[in-house]
Amino acid sequence: EAGVAQSPRYKIIEKRQSVAFWCNPISGHATLYWYQQILGQGPKLLIQFQNNGVVDDSQLPKDRFSAERLKGVDSTLKIQPAKLEDSAVYLCASSFSEGASYEQYFGPGTRLTVT
Amino acid sequence: KQEVTQIPAALSVPEGENLVLNCSFTDSAIYNLQWFRQDPGKGLTSLLLIQSSQREQTSGRLNASLDKSSGRSTLYIAASQPGDSATYLCAVSGGITGTASKLTFGTGTRLQVTL
Repeated sequence: EAGVAQSPRYKIIEKRQSVAFWCNPISGHATLYWYQQILGQGPKLLIQFQNNGVVDDSQLPKDRFSAERLKGVDSTLKIQPAKLEDSAVYLCASSFSEGASYEQYFGPGTRLTVT
Repeated sequence: KQEVTQIPAALSVPEGENLVLNCSFTDSAIYNLQWFRQDPGKGLTSLLLIQSSQREQTSGRLNASLDKSSGRSTLYIAASQPGDSATYLCAVSGGITGTASKLTFGTGTRLQVTL
């Protein structure tokens, strides 16, 4: 079974530029998550989708971050404009459905460096 | 707000030693607790998932326990090997303000097993 795919793996941009990340979840997984992991910290949930609807985006900085999951499969996360503090690894995860019983499977992440 | 703490932050042990990693959380109203492994530059791999009604889970040389009432979990690794070197993350789902699938992570324990 193919795992969660993310691209690009690495991205370097200057502050105030925009950037987009792509995630393809495991086939058949209805729930998709985006996490931000700053160096030395644990991942922090940014947004959770159930199919193409948003379940939780309470920690998403909506003035600069946006995410969508068209057709309930692939998802993109965008940052515009980027700030230095956005430097982090952005992890995508998916699970079969929402709920505590369903294990989350993580992709390799995209490492973003903002200079 | 749920807070997860992991002690120690870093640990170095000689090969073959048994070791214990600790995790504590402030809100005991959780749905489950997961232990993950993260290798440098890679995503997270789920090791063990303990439902709130369970006391422990075992997988190979790994054993995780959960004391929900006291807000504690331990990950026991038997007969450690150099290949166990990684960062180990604890995460809980739920809590008063969280959804069943929303994970709150600790900052991790960086483990190095030496020859």
